Amino acid sequence: AQTVTQSQPEMSVQEAETVTLSCTYDTSESDYYLFWYKQPPSRQMILVIRQEAYKQQNATENRFSVNFQKAAKSFSLKISDSQLGDAAMYFCAYRSAQRGSARQLTFGSGTQLTVLP
Amino acid sequence: EAGVAQSPRYKIIEKRQSVAFWCNPISGHATLYWYQQILGQGPKLLIQFQNNGVVDDSQLPKDRFSAERLKGVDSTLKIQPAKLEDSAVYLCASSLQRAPSTDTQYFGPGTRLTVL
Repeated sequence: AQTVTQSQPEMSVQEAETVTLSCTYDTSESDYYLFWYKQPPSRQMILVIRQEAYKQQNATENRFSVNFQKAAKSFSLKISDSQLGDAAMYFCAYRSAQRGSARQLTFGSGTQLTVLP
Repeated sequence: EAGVAQSPRYKIIEKRQSVAFWCNPISGHATLYWYQQILGQGPKLLIQFQNNGVVDDSQLPKDRFSAERLKGVDSTLKIQPAKLEDSAVYLCASSLQRAPSTDTQYFGPGTRLTVL
């Protein structure tokens, strides 16, 4: 079974600064997908960024980028130019890409990000 | 496009009572998921439907939880009888079930259940 670990329960960053959230995972599979989701107080989970394990290039989405280290099973999220609206709980998630596998997500325990004005 | 709808947003019940949650996925989405999110934890899958068939319900406590997806659209999740440890947010998500590389799960706002 796959597991996802987020070792930072809480993080804070000054507005306009950069912050990195950590995530490690454990799997015996070679092909999979990794995601970062954002959950604001409204509770609606919003996809921030995704990474395919077979791609060496790190994914980027505007101010959000990842550092994917497949051998180390590490998948960190970097938020540049942090904004007040980035404050939320951030979840790292794993999904198998095995043929015939169900596509449910396995989530970490989350990191609560506070953005200080 | 309308998002995933869930109701109610909040529910408070006594232990041993019954409760039901409703989810309406995004139109055309074949796959529907129910997740349980206990305070301070990440969501955990309870059940996954593909159209109106169950794909995975291995983590559903079947002695008290049940779910159905009639006609492959709306879904209901029921708890009977509820226990204190069922207090959580219940999230519904749906996806189009296209190619794995582009398949994205879209989440509803969730239902916060408090069992007293």
